Amino acid sequence: NAGVTQTPKFQVLKTGQSMTLQCAQDMNHEYMSWYRQDPGMGLRLIHYSVGAGITDQGEVPNGYNVSRSTTEDFPLRLLSAAPSQTSVYFCASGKGRQRQETQYFGPGTRLLVL
Amino acid sequence: GDSVTQMEGPVTLSEEAFLTINCTYTATGYPSLFWYVQYPGEGLQLLLKATKADDKGSNKGFEATYRKETTSFHLEKGSVQVSDSAVYFCARGSNDYKLSFGAGTTVTVRA
Repeated sequence: NAGVTQTPKFQVLKTGQSMTLQCAQDMNHEYMSWYRQDPGMGLRLIHYSVGAGITDQGEVPNGYNVSRSTTEDFPLRLLSAAPSQTSVYFCASGKGRQRQETQYFGPGTRLLVL
Repeated sequence: GDSVTQMEGPVTLSEEAFLTINCTYTATGYPSLFWYVQYPGEGLQLLLKATKADDKGSNKGFEATYRKETTSFHLEKGSVQVSDSAVYFCARGSNDYKLSFGAGTTVTVRA
């Protein structure tokens, strides 16, 4: 099993450009989420999904869209990139909503917005 | 809201030294508590977890005990190695599937 995969590993964008960060998991997990990691701030939840066709906002959703058309995939779209979106983005998946469930993280996408 | 406060780094140690990273959490509800580790250039991996008061999580020589009375989940290792150099994150999990993370502590172990 590949676990959670993310592409690309690194991306440079100009302000105003749009792009999609890809995330896929092969563990048949119902729950998937996107976090961004910024120095001194830990990881902050952007959007999450509790199953195919269902998405919801996290702590910092502005400027990002998500969709969940299949169990496996959970892409994150930046509609109009801004320098404040320079960050490292992590996708995670887990098999249950219960508080004790472990979340499994992808290797991350490093995004630089100029 | 739910939050986690984690000891600030960076922390630099010599091999075989004792490591402690402090973590406290907000006490609302009945959270699970996690320590995740991020090695250089990689994503986060679960290091250990505890799901109820007085539980002890352990893995790779690391331990942490869920202390409800002090709302703490401090990470300890008795003898660190160079390979333990990483960023360590304390996290709090709730029934809505959301994880709240601390800011992370960078640990560097020197030979």
